Amino acid sequence: DAKTTQPPSMDCAEGRAANLPCNHSTISGNEYVYWYRQIHSQGPQYIIHGLKNNETNEMASLIITEDRKSSTLILPHATLRDTAVYYCIVRPHPKAAGNKLTFGGGTRVLVKP
Amino acid sequence: DTAVSQTPKYLVTQMGNDKSIKCEQNLGHDTMYWYKQDSKKFLKIMFSYNNKELIINETVPNRFSPKSPDKAHLNLHINSLELGDSAVYFCASSQDWQGGTDTQYFGPGTRLTVL
Repeated sequence: DAKTTQPPSMDCAEGRAANLPCNHSTISGNEYVYWYRQIHSQGPQYIIHGLKNNETNEMASLIITEDRKSSTLILPHATLRDTAVYYCIVRPHPKAAGNKLTFGGGTRVLVKP
Repeated sequence: DTAVSQTPKYLVTQMGNDKSIKCEQNLGHDTMYWYKQDSKKFLKIMFSYNNKELIINETVPNRFSPKSPDKAHLNLHINSLELGDSAVYFCASSQDWQGGTDTQYFGPGTRLTVL
């Protein structure tokens, strides 16, 4: 499985954009980048995913570099409820690994008032 | 309505006992999963089932046995519980495990404590 590297923690001011980096230099051509988050004592929550192009949904934006070796999750206007651990996951092709998600250590994001 | 539900939310038991955790999804998904989150907070997949058929079986002790009576349910039975089994267990489901962009939806978790 392609390995991801994320900073262990970061703080963000409420109302400001939070930019969460992720390195995945060994990613293969058919592997997607997924982002999940886990709010304290809850199950992981899907945020967004992408392959090559930048993606945006109601929760966040995902910027993937042209060489696909890194990506950035952007929370445009962070709120206190966005405090969570954010996981960047490179998902192998399902037929190779059965849709297995491998979670690393993630980035612990603390949104401060 | 809860999309993926688990029961119980908390489970405290003695070493050597046998226990089950139940999971149900009302999303109409074909694939279900069990993950374990240990004390260091790392989440690892244990099993996945597609329409009652086993797809993934990671290196899990055979004391753990998933049972899928139908595609909306995937229960986890654990025999001869050990201290190291203490963890939070998460169930998840997805539409189609072979889909290129299949997304998994997680339940709230079951915190198992073995004394």
